[in-house]
Formats: sequence, C-alpha cells, structure tokens
Amino acid sequence: EAQVTQNPRYLITVTGKKLTVTCSQNMNHEYMSWYRQDPGLGLRQIYYSMNVEVTDKGDVPEGYKVSRKEKRNFPLILESPSPNQTSLYFCASRIGLADTQETQYFGPGTRLLVL
Amino acid sequence: GQSLEQPSEVTAVEGAIVQINCTYQTSGFYGLSWYQQHDGGAPTFLSYNALDGLEETGRFSSFLSRSDSYGYLLLQELQMKDSASYFCAVNTGGFKTIFGAGTRLFVKA
Repeated sequence: EAQVTQNPRYLITVTGKKLTVTCSQNMNHEYMSWYRQDPGLGLRQIYYSMNVEVTDKGDVPEGYKVSRKEKRNFPLILESPSPNQTSLYFCASRIGLADTQETQYFGPGTRLLVL
Repeated sequence: GQSLEQPSEVTAVEGAIVQINCTYQTSGFYGLSWYQQHDGGAPTFLSYNALDGLEETGRFSSFLSRSDSYGYLLLQELQMKDSASYFCAVNTGGFKTIFGAGTRLFVKA
C-alpha cells in the first residue's frame, strides 16, 4: 500500500530534550516536506526537500533541522524543544514538480507536547 | 506578507450546494490546491487548478481566477461525511506551499 508513515504518533517530552520524528514514504517520491498545524493557523511549512541531500527552509524553520540521506526518509529533528513547538506535525510527499504531480500525500500526523 | 483568506466556518444542510472561497496574496503563484481534513485525520488532496476555469471531480468542483487572485471549492449534493475542514493552498514556486487557515464545514441533516 502506498503510504507516508510517521513515528511516533504521540510524544510528550520536556524542554531541551532532543527528539527526532521519523517520516518514510514508499512511493519513490522526490519531494518531501514537514508542516506544523496549529489551531487557527492552518498548516505551515517547516522544511522541504527536493531530493536526496537537497533541503530548504519553509516559512517556520526556526528550532528545527532535517536531513535527507535516503530518498524514502525525511526525519525532523528538534535539537532543543521548547513549549512553543507543541503542535501537530505532518510529513508529506509529492511525486515531483510538474503540474500533474501537484498532489501531496500526508502522513497520519505526530502530536507533540513539550512541557 | 503572503496570505490566503478563507471563511472560518460554513454551515449547510444535507443535499445542498456549498461554496468555499479563497483569496490569496502571494509572492509567486503556480497553482491553487484544495485539501480536506476530517477531525483527527490527515489532509487529503481534492483538486488543483493551475489555469483559470473550473475543474470538476465528481461532486466536487474547483474554480480559479488568476486575475482576481481568487478561487473556490464547490461541493454539491452535500453528505454528512463531508463535514470536515477544507484548506486552500498555493504553490508559490518549486516546492514551497502556503496553506490557508481552513474552513470548517458543518453539514446538518
């Protein structure tokens, strides 16, 4: 089954304790992205990746890191989480750049609480 | 700044037609997408308009006017299962995407 998976689905942590949220897709998509969703703000793009070893900042990259060492995986790293990073996080993938490849496929989400 | 404006809530009755509008102000524009998200779920893709005009997919249609920086999602023959949040999103170039805050649709019996 074609899908985007994220782990963990729920996470409670404390301020300053490094964490990684994994994202994996089995569709051989070139493009992957991370979003955070907060009430009243919709989805905001954190980082995106056009292919292996190619990443760029979205609108809200502060406090986050990403890496793309393999095509299928795109982990999100919070080196020193803070309470304002409490949010619902979604990973998404997309085939490529053409208009016909616009569809983004989202993972199930990771709900993060930083105390 | 860049922004997408859509109504926060819309209520309609089962079987009716509802239109959700989206106006955008972005530095670049390559196309307008619509996504549906049920409570507790992930966004799922509904439609995409790169050019002016109407795109139809079953009960859902989407319209774009680039000159007016405006688009809408039209849902026909509303069903209870259509109760969800709907987001418009603009591809501003390459792989950068900006989403609206979402419109919560309530479908009443």
